[in-house]
Order: sequence, then structure tokens, then C-alpha cells
Amino acid sequence: SYVLTQPPSVSVAPGQTARITCGGNNIGSKSVHWYQQKPGQAPVLVVYDDSDRPSGIPERFSGSNSGNTATLTISRVEAGDEADYYCQVWDSSSDHPGWVFGGGTKLTVL
Amino acid sequence: EVQLVESGGGLVQPGGSLRLSCSASGFTFSSYAMHWVRQAPGKGLEYVSAISSNGGSTYYADSVKGRFTISRDNSKNTLYLQMSSLRAEDTAVYYCVKWWGGYGAYWGQGTLVTVSS
Repeated sequence: SYVLTQPPSVSVAPGQTARITCGGNNIGSKSVHWYQQKPGQAPVLVVYDDSDRPSGIPERFSGSNSGNTATLTISRVEAGDEADYYCQVWDSSSDHPGWVFGGGTKLTVL
Repeated sequence: EVQLVESGGGLVQPGGSLRLSCSASGFTFSSYAMHWVRQAPGKGLEYVSAISSNGGSTYYADSVKGRFTISRDNSKNTLYLQMSSLRAEDTAVYYCVKWWGGYGAYWGQGTLVTVSS
């Protein structure tokens, strides 16, 4: 089955830029979606189709996808951005197609 | 405003059964595929099951196939997940998700299922 690999944690100071990666075999050929989950809350979609933002999501959140790595970039990080972030794709390449999540990355704002 | 409210979670013994429900409002329920995603305590998100807008197509993760059944009643704007032969590893918060294209556009707050003797 298809595997998405995320770093367990990323730390960044307020006002700086955070980059969270999501690795997968030829992930650049897939559409990647990103979710933010704060403690005790449900996940919220922050980027879809590699780089589009749902309404209400700040422009500070952006995404890119190429080759074997997709990246969620959060500019001018704020304390309120501290959360777990998950990437997700649809994998049709295996014998059992399905929706796949990465293991998640905990963003800490120093 | 989109609202997804899950119910039916609780404590169940191994081997037991439970039915989760998700009441939807604020959108045309019958036009959207709906999914269940779960999260074990302290762990990441795991895909569980999906159903097409008219209920004609369903999908199950290998970990639940043959034990869980997803269904929907579009006349009641409600999604269901019938869970049987429950195992300790099924312990998780179960989220009802409104799906659009390839992603979860909106998530409910979840309901906790605990499988323990």
C-alpha cells in the first residue's frame, strides 16, 4: 500500500516560516490535501489539491507538490498555528485503492 | 452552516457490536459522498469507510472489512456505521466527514468508541 512519510515534529519561532513535508513515491502525480488538528478538536482542511485554500483559511497557509515530496508552508507563524498537521492523498496505484493519511507532524511554536 | 453530529459511541466489550450515527444539516446531504475516519488515542488519522452519495458504492479499509458496514438514509440526512466483532484496536474517536472530490471538506466533532472488558 502507498505510504506517506511526515516528520514527527517541526519547531519554529513566531513570525518565522514553517515547512512541513510529506514524502511519497511520485507524490507529485497525486493531489495532496492538508489538515490541521488542534488538541481536542476535529481536523480542519487547510489546503486541498496541492495548493488551494478553502474559504476562511489565511493566505499564510500554502502548499506545493513535486517529485516525491509535498510541502505545507506556513508563513509568519503565530502561536495559534500550533497543532498537528496531516497530509492525505487518494492512491489508485495499489491492488486496493484507497485514501491514505500521513502519520502527522506536530508543529511547535517556540 | 454545515453541521455533522456523531452519536452512538461508548464502551463495548471485545466481540461486541455498536452502531454509530451521524446527523447532517446545512447542506444537501444526498449530493455528497460521506466517509468515516478514526483516530486512536494519541495516534494519527486512519481511513475507515466511505459511501457514495446514493449509497450505491461503498469502500472499507482492510482493517475493518467484513466487520463494519456503512450505510446512509438520505431521507433522514443520516450516515451510519454498524460495527461488529469489535476489537481493542478499534478503540478510537470516529469522525463523520463530508467528502468532496478527494478530500474531507468538513468533519464532525467525533464520537469515542472504547472496546474493553
